[in-house]
Amino acid sequence: GAVVSQHPSRVICKSGTSVKIECRSLDFQATTMFWYRQFPKKSLMLMATSNEGSKATYEQGVEKDKFLINHASLTLSTLTVTSAHPEDSSFYICSASMNTEAFFGQGTRLTVV
Amino acid sequence: AQRVTQPEKLLSVFKGAPVELKCNYSYSGSPELFWYVQYSRQRLQLLLRHISRESIKGFTADLNKGETSFHLKKPFAQEEDSAMYYCALDRTIIQGAQKLVFGQGTRLTINP
Repeated sequence: GAVVSQHPSRVICKSGTSVKIECRSLDFQATTMFWYRQFPKKSLMLMATSNEGSKATYEQGVEKDKFLINHASLTLSTLTVTSAHPEDSSFYICSASMNTEAFFGQGTRLTVV
Repeated sequence: AQRVTQPEKLLSVFKGAPVELKCNYSYSGSPELFWYVQYSRQRLQLLLRHISRESIKGFTADLNKGETSFHLKKPFAQEEDSAMYYCALDRTIIQGAQKLVFGQGTRLTINP
């Protein structure tokens, strides 16, 4: 199957700083990628749709100025958590689809201290 | 609104016993439903989708539109089936992309 890779797997940052998470489709191109957030012992919640060459589409309640998404190429989408606060600590997962199947990254655990 | 409900957070059965993980959905159109599995320390991966009507690792799931359910079943559980299972509904309008709504997940434990 196709591979989606996220980097970093874990990151700890200080409150008030920004952190960037990368999502790459390694062996296929993806014009659309999705970013999800998973709280402890909770389900995955869709945050936004990342569109190559155009603006991301955010779900209701997701602050687009806090969670900046850039889909600069057909294999890379980045999520930047700006001015991070402890409540932004979570597990962030991206996905991209090939042949109508969604493939998920391994996730990034963000801890804001 | 689209919604997926998995009523059981935890499910524990003995090896060799039948397993059923429940999933109910709410969707106004014609749903496309999936089961995803996450084994320990691994990423989320597709187990099966309703349109394929296939059996994967002994698991099957039938879409029941009357009951708005998509329960996952296996007649004889194996220890390697222990994992987190998510039922998901595709709400995308983008061709070829899966914009998924997930249920809360059920942690299945198979006891030896």
